[in-house]
Amino acid sequence: EVQLVEIGGGLVQSGGSLTLSCVGSGFSLGSHWMSWVRQAPGKGLEWVASIRQDGGETLYVDSVKGRFTVARDNAKNSVFLMMTSLRPEDTAMYYCARLLGDVTIYDYWGQGTLVTVSS
Amino acid sequence: DIQLTQSPSFLSASVGDRVTITCRASQGINNYLAWYQQRPGKAPKLLIYTASTLQSGVPSRFSGSGSGTEFFLTINSLQPEDFVTYYCQQRKSYPITFGQGTRLEMK
Repeated sequence: EVQLVEIGGGLVQSGGSLTLSCVGSGFSLGSHWMSWVRQAPGKGLEWVASIRQDGGETLYVDSVKGRFTVARDNAKNSVFLMMTSLRPEDTAMYYCARLLGDVTIYDYWGQGTLVTVSS
Repeated sequence: DIQLTQSPSFLSASVGDRVTITCRASQGINNYLAWYQQRPGKAPKLLIYTASTLQSGVPSRFSGSGSGTEFFLTINSLQPEDFVTYYCQQRKSYPITFGQGTRLEMK
């Protein structure tokens, strides 16, 4: 069974840093592009970042460029989101999601981890 | 960036009804559109991709259609578990974007 589990969320002050981890099981994470998608409380979904299978290509939404870094360790079936210079508007549930083949459609999602940035 | 606008944002219906949700793109996206269902407190679930392909395990009462800039999610014979929120998503170009969501409520 394919599973994604995110950990690392929590309460952090504005300007602080946090690293999220996503551990996959039931499949070879190294065979898939992976993404982070977030959802502010009561709001819609927002794509945040994606990383290619070998880690050689990364993509970010403009609002996090220069502040967030996505990385992966295929040997540990894990993907990471390193967040710095956090802002209150970064407060959201952060989901790790697997891409369906090479198509940017998300067929499996984790349960999410909540990041709260206080001002 | 490609903007996706869903209509309506809220939809009231009854069990057994047929409903259609529309997703309009700010520019042509061919058929690069997916639909997701999200239950409260849960992660989204993929329903349909490439505008009309049903994801494995999704009930056949869900269907998708459209191309270019206008897309539709139709749910036939609504079941109690269908009264949740639905999102469309485009993959034509980065940044990947989602519609604002449609909340389906029981009348």
